[in-house]
Amino acid sequence: KAGVTQTPRYLIKTRGQQVTLSCSPISGHRSVSWYQQTPGQGLQFLFEYFSETQRNKGNFPGRFSGRQFSNSRSEMNVSTLELGDSALYLCASSLTGTKYYGYTFGSGTRLTVV
Amino acid sequence: AQSVTQLGSHVSVSEGALVLLRCNYSSSVPPYLFWYVQYPNQGLQLLLKYTSAATLVKGINGFEAEFKKSETSFHLTKPSAHMSDAAEYFCAVRNRSNFGNEKLTFGTGTRLTIIP
Repeated sequence: KAGVTQTPRYLIKTRGQQVTLSCSPISGHRSVSWYQQTPGQGLQFLFEYFSETQRNKGNFPGRFSGRQFSNSRSEMNVSTLELGDSALYLCASSLTGTKYYGYTFGSGTRLTVV
Repeated sequence: AQSVTQLGSHVSVSEGALVLLRCNYSSSVPPYLFWYVQYPNQGLQLLLKYTSAATLVKGINGFEAEFKKSETSFHLTKPSAHMSDAAEYFCAVRNRSNFGNEKLTFGTGTRLTIIP
């Protein structure tokens, strides 16, 4: 059974540019969440999608956005990149409706803003 | 609001010694609790989870954790450390009363070093 797949693994972008990250959840998982991991702030929740709807959002500026497609794949977009956006972005999927399951994480996309 | 506190950002133990990583939570009702491990340049791997069944939870790689409501704790233990256990460990909590809210709140992590 394939795990959570995140692409690309590494990205280098310039300040002011925008970036799109992709996440393919485990087959059958309908909930996809995104997290940002930095040395200073740790793991912070960005947003969560279920059935193409954003159900929950963390405390991030509007430059951070996301969406989910009908096949549960998700993308997140960061516009007008800042140096502080450099981080490991992790995607997690879960079997919503079966609340006894944990969350399966992908290997992440490491974004470097220069 | 729920929160998680991990005591000790760095823990070092000798190979073969007991591993104890501490996690305390703050929540109005007993939440769901998780321990994740992260190896360098990797994502998070679920070690174990507490979802209100047995309070002593066994996970992968010989790890286990005990939920203690009176102490609001969920400490992670392993009887005998192995070199391959060197990694960063995160405790996380999710509010069980808000079903459908999949947000996890993480602790700041504990980096475990194994001394040969």
